[in-house]
Amino acid sequence: GAGVSQSPSNKVTEKGKDVELRCDPISGHTALYWYRQSLGQGLEFLIYFQGNSAPDKSGLPSDRFSAERTGGSVSTLTIQRTQQEDSAVYLCASSLEGLGAGYNEQFFGPGTRLTVL
Amino acid sequence: KQEVTQIPAALSVPEGENLVLNCSFTDSAIYNLQWFRQDPGKGLTSLLLIQSSQREQTSGRLNASLDKSSGRSTLYIAASQPGDSATYLCAVNGGFKTIFGAGTRLFVKA
Repeated sequence: GAGVSQSPSNKVTEKGKDVELRCDPISGHTALYWYRQSLGQGLEFLIYFQGNSAPDKSGLPSDRFSAERTGGSVSTLTIQRTQQEDSAVYLCASSLEGLGAGYNEQFFGPGTRLTVL
Repeated sequence: KQEVTQIPAALSVPEGENLVLNCSFTDSAIYNLQWFRQDPGKGLTSLLLIQSSQREQTSGRLNASLDKSSGRSTLYIAASQPGDSATYLCAVNGGFKTIFGAGTRLFVKA
């Protein structure tokens, strides 16, 4: 595809359930990023993948959050035992090169709006 | 710890006016800085990326500057149009993280 795609676009779940969010980066992009944007808040950096590895996971809000990337392409962000405060828009981005490179323009997907009831 | 601040938080201008949005950051050890726009309920659109070795970048009516030593970047919008109304975000790229400012909400009146 031409851009970063995310699925689902909307997800409503009940408190305590697990959810999986998916991101398909632009083909050939080596780096992939996850962010969270809560209502009225700025973008919060969650995690960054260079290839299949994440050099820094300290941005994940709690141990209920995990992310993986396989084959250097698709990534999934999993939230276990969801809480109401997890409600937010989860955004994914990809770039041709990773952080640490001078030119690593990030391109964003449309996001997944997660609502935890 | 990198902190990114954007001023003003909101701005309303008449159509045709030139304007400047400001972004400041606390840690000058950055690789690059990127400006985005976000329309309500939408994702982010990349506007300009400035590498740490560059002083400015231009695209159409947009010009972004970077002064790494003072921890500042500006986004200049010339001859503003109602279609420029959006939230403008700056993002600073360090080694393993990208830190965003809270944004400037711009409204251009016709």
